[in-house]
Amino acid sequence: DAKTTQPPSMDCAEGRAANLPCNHSTISGNEYVYWYRQIHSQGPQYIIHGLKNNETNEMASLIITEDRKSSTLILPHATLRDTAVYYCIVRVTGGFKTIFGAGTRLFVKA
Amino acid sequence: GAGVSQSPSNKVTEKGKDVELRCDPISGHTALYWYRQRLGQGLEFLIYFQGNSAPDKSGLPSDRFSAERTGESVSTLTIQRTQQEDSAVYLCASSPAGQDNYGYTFGSGTRLTVV
Repeated sequence: DAKTTQPPSMDCAEGRAANLPCNHSTISGNEYVYWYRQIHSQGPQYIIHGLKNNETNEMASLIITEDRKSSTLILPHATLRDTAVYYCIVRVTGGFKTIFGAGTRLFVKA
Repeated sequence: GAGVSQSPSNKVTEKGKDVELRCDPISGHTALYWYRQRLGQGLEFLIYFQGNSAPDKSGLPSDRFSAERTGESVSTLTIQRTQQEDSAVYLCASSPAGQDNYGYTFGSGTRLTVV
């Protein structure tokens, strides 16, 4: 699976949009971009995934660049409960082992 | 059950003892994964089961680690002769039929402390 690069930490003001970047310059044509988050002392939680089109669900939006070498997870109105570690992963869907990097630790501040 | 269930939630064991960690995946999920997470670090892949196929054991760190799965249900991760570096949270996840359009569902993990 392709490797991803994320900033180690970010801050965001409560109520503002949180934009979390991810670089995946070696992504293959059949690999999807997945985002998970892990709130302290809990297991990771799936957020969203996409192949090449932008995606939106009730939790977040995913913007993938046209060349697919990077993406941005957008939490439109961050709350204190969104403070967590966010993992960006690339892999084939239905694939096997998934490699999680260190992720981005997002701090949402009041 | 409605989610992935792991037991025990916490386990303290003496160095050199064997431990068994249990995972009950979501009913109908044929794929099951084990990960390890050391304090302050990311998730480390251990092993993957998919239906009746041979498991992918490529992430197991040593021969002290083994895992079994009964059909498409319960899985146990066994660590023999535990060492202090085995202390971590062990996370189990499942997904349906190798397709994970909704991603994996993770359990809350077992926190293992080797003293």
